[in-house]
Amino acid sequence: GENVEQHPSTLSVQEGDSAVIKCTYSDSASNYFPWYKQELGKRPQLIIDIRSNVGEKKDQRIAVTLNKTAKHFSLHITETQPEDSAVYFCAALNSGYALNFGKGTSLLVTP
Amino acid sequence: EAQVTQNPRYLITVTGKKLTVTCSQNMNHEYMSWYRQDPGLGLRQIYYSMNVEVTDKGDVPEGYKVSRKEKRNFPLILESPSPNQTSLYFCASSPRLAGANEQFFGPGTRLTVL
Repeated sequence: GENVEQHPSTLSVQEGDSAVIKCTYSDSASNYFPWYKQELGKRPQLIIDIRSNVGEKKDQRIAVTLNKTAKHFSLHITETQPEDSAVYFCAALNSGYALNFGKGTSLLVTP
Repeated sequence: EAQVTQNPRYLITVTGKKLTVTCSQNMNHEYMSWYRQDPGLGLRQIYYSMNVEVTDKGDVPEGYKVSRKEKRNFPLILESPSPNQTSLYFCASSPRLAGANEQFFGPGTRLTVL
């Protein structure tokens, strides 16, 4: 199926700094790219998503950019806070309606 | 309250003993899906269903079965569980026909196969 690569696997930043997580996908027909946050011991929850007809989307401190030509998309978190510490997953919806996830990035924000 | 529920939440079983993990949603969602989560491997899709009586394989369907006889329920069946199916399982649902909408995850089922 669709191959979604996510980097880095772990990321440590100081409170107030920015964090960037990058993903690439292989299926050029993919048209939907969500990002999920999973806190320790909890279920994944959607934090932002972007569709292929949009290059960038922002929601307060988080933003996602999409480059369809290069087949990569990124999550940007500005002014990070300790409560942003979690595992973040990118995903891409392939042409067969299956959602393929990256392997996750464990983000640690230190005070 | 709109939610996705899974049962059981925790299960320890032995190799070869058939089991079913139930999943139910009360949001009238068309799309439902099962994932397994393993350390270092992220979330991998097992099966998904776009509507009643319509199911399709995800990336790791081997050893699993599903059925979608009613819109609200999407049980995951392990006919003959093996230790490599020890994992954390999530059911999820999404409003529309395609998966291009927010997926709402259940609380997870932690399965151990001895």
